[in-house]
Order: sequence, then C-alpha cells, then structure tokens
Amino acid sequence: EVQLLESGGALVQPGGSLKLSCAVSGFAFNTYAMDWIRQAPGKGLEWVSGISASGGNTYYADSVRDRFTISRDNSKNTLFLEISNLRVDDTAVYYCVRPSGDYVKFDFWGQGALVTVSS
Amino acid sequence: SNVLTQPPSVSVAPGKTARITCGGDNIGTESVHWYQQKPGQSPVLVIHYDGDRPSGIPERFSGFKSGKTATLAISSVEAGDEADYYCQVWDSNGDHPFVFGTGTRLSVL
Repeated sequence: EVQLLESGGALVQPGGSLKLSCAVSGFAFNTYAMDWIRQAPGKGLEWVSGISASGGNTYYADSVRDRFTISRDNSKNTLFLEISNLRVDDTAVYYCVRPSGDYVKFDFWGQGALVTVSS
Repeated sequence: SNVLTQPPSVSVAPGKTARITCGGDNIGTESVHWYQQKPGQSPVLVIHYDGDRPSGIPERFSGFKSGKTATLAISSVEAGDEADYYCQVWDSNGDHPFVFGTGTRLSVL
C-alpha cells in the first residue's frame, strides 16, 4: 500500500522559514519523480514544485521560485520542501504527491500539512 | 499560461447524471485527468487519460472530451458523490508543467 505522510506544518511569522517532510512507503521511491501541490483555504489546487527520481532535476512554479527548495533523500525514502521568506499568501495545505510514471498526473496524495503564515 | 475553466457549481438530484465541464486550449492535445476532493480530505484520482477509470473507481464515473472541452459524468449520483472536482492537464509548453481547473462543487439535492 502506497503511503505518503507529511510533517512539519506549523504557524510561522511572515519572513520566516519552514521545512516540510514527506515519508514515503509502499513503492520504489527512487524510481519516481515526486511533487508538492498546495491548496490555500477555500481555494483550488496549485502545483508548486517537482523533483526527478534521482534528485538531479528540480522544477518550480514561478510564484515560489527562489523561495522554495525541493529535495529528496532516496536512502531514507523522504521528500522535502524548504520554504523561506514566507508570505501570508503561502498559507495553505501542502500535499506530497506521487505522479504517474509518465509524469502527466498524480496517482497518490498524502494527507497534507498545514502551513499558516501570520503575525 | 494555460487556463482550465470549470463551472463553480453543479447541482443534481440523487439518481440523476451530473456533468462537469472543463474548457481550455490544451484540452484537444493533452490527456485530461479528474480528481474528486471530499470535504476535509485529500484529492483522489477518479478519471485519467480522458476517460479511463483507475482501479477501484465505480463505473458510474466516466469522462470524455470534444474539441476544447472535457466532461466528467457521474451517473446515478449518490449523496456520497458530493465533493469538489478538478480537471488537470500536463502543459508541455506552459510555465507550469501541471495545470488544474478552477474546480466545481457538486451538490446533491
């Protein structure tokens, strides 16, 4: 059974930093790209960032480029998202997701980690 | 960048068929995928590659597309189908590789 378990969500002040983790099990982690998708309260889904299976290639939405850093530790089956210079509009539930092998859709989603940016 | 437009809401009586549309320039050239998100839960893939159902999804869910519009159809609607539904395509030419629709709230009367 595929399981994606996010952690690290918190209440953070504007300008602060945070690192989300996603522990993965149930599939060969080192053979799949992985992504983060977020959802602001009451809003739709927004793709944020992705990383190749090896970690050698990373991708970011324009809205988060230069502030978000995606990484992975294939030895520990864990995905990370480091967020710096947090803004109020970064407030959202952040989902760890496993895309399909052809990297066109999302087959499995974690339960989400809530990040709240407020003073 | 590509934009996928969905109606904000659709209402349907139990037992009837709900149809949710998704319009965008890339619909005709890219596969469309649909997700169901029930209140307080994570999204679940219910239709992929325009009209195929992932394992475990009831046959009541179907999808098709024509021109620049994709449609998710849910037949014999049940109260448990009440949820937000999102379409999604992979955008090879846009700034973001993945584009989601604006979302549709399905209400069962």
